[in-house]
Amino acid sequence: QSVLTQPPSASGTPGQRVTISCSGSSSNIGSNYVYWYQQLPGTAPKLLIYRNNQRPSGVPDRFSGSKSGTSASLAISGLRSEDEADYYCAAWDDSLSGPRFGGGTKLTVL
Amino acid sequence: EVQLVESGGGLVQPGRSLRLSCAASGFTFDDYAMHWVRQAPGKGLEWVSGISWNSGSIGYADSVKGRFTISRDNAKNSLYLQMNSLRAEDTALYYCAKSAGGFLEWLFDYWGQGTLVTVSS
Repeated sequence: QSVLTQPPSASGTPGQRVTISCSGSSSNIGSNYVYWYQQLPGTAPKLLIYRNNQRPSGVPDRFSGSKSGTSASLAISGLRSEDEADYYCAAWDDSLSGPRFGGGTKLTVL
Repeated sequence: EVQLVESGGGLVQPGRSLRLSCAASGFTFDDYAMHWVRQAPGKGLEWVSGISWNSGSIGYADSVKGRFTISRDNAKNSLYLQMNSLRAEDTALYYCAKSAGGFLEWLFDYWGQGTLVTVSS
């Protein structure tokens, strides 16, 4: 069982806005930055969001991150077919002295 | 352009050893912490181990502590993972990942393509 909790699946139609949640605790999300990764089928993960809400260059502004207390969210607006992928949240965990991932959310674009 | 190229994976019997390598380029290697992250077939991501820029801080997941050893050679821009006493549950694609900063708490901003380790008799 993952330390960070994500819904196993999410879906939306093209153009819609979807959000993926990530729930943690005071030792991880509550006191450290949250990162989000996108993993397209058969490829390595790619950084989408760092430091809770910052986008690396090249990541479209359709992707946004937020954090409140011990939870975080990834929002994808203007959903496109190429957004179909697995999404993972991650954060350093002070109690475990290491980074931890959520279990991943499989996003389906209907 | 940041490039991370893993090597050293393969098929190994339970109880044996394997050494993974990661060749880094496109950035100042000794400014950044580095990590190994694995993904079992059809499963999620699991952090394995990390090492700070100067090897002064090292961490391991409980599942590999005492069996795996991470190291780096800044002169060769290379990261290593020595894996001993391998078990079937260590079967996974092992990714080398660059940290966004010099310390372990900065998580991953670039990933390699991975090297597959299969532990089976």
